Amino acid sequence: KQEVTQIPAALSVPEGENLVLNCSFTDSAIYNLQWFRQDPGKGLTSLLLIQSSQREQTSGRLNASLDKSSGRSTLYIAASQPGDSATYLCAVRMDSSYKLIFGSGTRLLVRP
Amino acid sequence: GAGVSQSPSNKVTEKGKDVELRCDPISGHTALYWYRQSLGQGLEFLIYFQGNSAPDKSGLPSDRFSAERTGGSVSTLTIQRTQQEDSAVYLCASSGTGLNTGELFFGEGSRLTVL
Repeated sequence: KQEVTQIPAALSVPEGENLVLNCSFTDSAIYNLQWFRQDPGKGLTSLLLIQSSQREQTSGRLNASLDKSSGRSTLYIAASQPGDSATYLCAVRMDSSYKLIFGSGTRLLVRP
Repeated sequence: GAGVSQSPSNKVTEKGKDVELRCDPISGHTALYWYRQSLGQGLEFLIYFQGNSAPDKSGLPSDRFSAERTGGSVSTLTIQRTQQEDSAVYLCASSGTGLNTGELFFGEGSRLTVL
């Protein structure tokens, strides 16, 4: 059974820092991996999608990497801003399924 | 539409009443998902629709929950005889084909409170 873990559960950093959020999964037979952000009381906003054949994806200050063999993905946020404060969720879709399996998220606070 | 639209955004109901939650997916998206997010819990898969295929209902927690998708577009999630443990945010997502096949786009959710 696939399990998705996100570490740390919470993170507080001063504005301007570069930071890394971690996501690990136990079964490497994934179809893709998707990173989301969720603001309080809101839905999920898609940030980056990495297909299983890809190693990384970039969007603006965000860079997500994928290492299937080790069961890891990282989300790198450059030059963090207070507006980046949110909960970040990673989710994997297995080769054999269409369901997304979510991690429990990392709650990020960027202090001005 | 431009994004996934859900209604109502908030619903307060009394225990034992029935509720209907609506999801309007992104135009042209053939796949539609319902997830549930309870306070302090992760996202729980409920049901999946793909085109005209039979839906995957394996995540529905009890027979009080049902969902339908009419005309391959709008979906309605119905909860009968609501219980307090049904209180949660119900999130709908849709997915299409193309460059980023499999990318899910979520709506803002319907927050259900059962008193």
